[in-house]
Amino acid sequence: GQQVMQIPQYQHVQEGEDFTTYCNSSTTLSNIQWYKQRPGGHPVFLIQLVKSGEVKKQKRLTFQFGEAKKNSSLHITATQTTDVGTYFCAVTWREYGNKLVFGAGTILRVKS
Amino acid sequence: DAGVTQSPTHLIKTRGQQVTLRCSPKSGHDTVSWYQQALGQGPQFIFQYYEEEERQRGNFPDRFSGHQFPNYSSELNVNALLLGDSALYLCASSLGGAATTAVSSYNEQFFGPGTRLTVL
Repeated sequence: GQQVMQIPQYQHVQEGEDFTTYCNSSTTLSNIQWYKQRPGGHPVFLIQLVKSGEVKKQKRLTFQFGEAKKNSSLHITATQTTDVGTYFCAVTWREYGNKLVFGAGTILRVKS
Repeated sequence: DAGVTQSPTHLIKTRGQQVTLRCSPKSGHDTVSWYQQALGQGPQFIFQYYEEEERQRGNFPDRFSGHQFPNYSSELNVNALLLGDSALYLCASSLGGAATTAVSSYNEQFFGPGTRLTVL
């Protein structure tokens, strides 16, 4: 089946530093969603991107969708301890129907 | 307004047994999707139910089956359990209808707390 690559697998930052996670597909995506899962919790929806080149911001979080709709990024400015968790991208491809495929996730740890 | 609820919270079964997990969607939602999340991995799509029918299915064997009831709640059944079925099973609800069949949009999903299944 189709897969989406998410990097890095793990990142440990000092509080106040920035953080970025990336999702990449070899073929054009229909859309992409981003989720956050706290340790021991369940995924929580953050945002959905649909349009080529789309950029959306939520306070310290910036989400981008590539021009070719094959990649996306989530950037957190000035991380805080509350940002700790695993960030997942979840994507759909037109050729794969409307099935949501999750990346493996990026684990974020923040040192205070 | 209750969010997505799942039962039971935890479950321990032995190989070969059968299990039924339950999910009640968020109020107003009519679509339920089930996911399997192994430790350290992202959720894997099992199937989605809308209007009491399975609308989409991931790469899971027929041992995994489901049902949606008229009140939109759903069950996930797994037969002939294997050790590898041990995982967190997540239910997610969303608003269905024609919008979710459009490949350019996919409605926001609300996840439940999950059922932790351990197969011994």
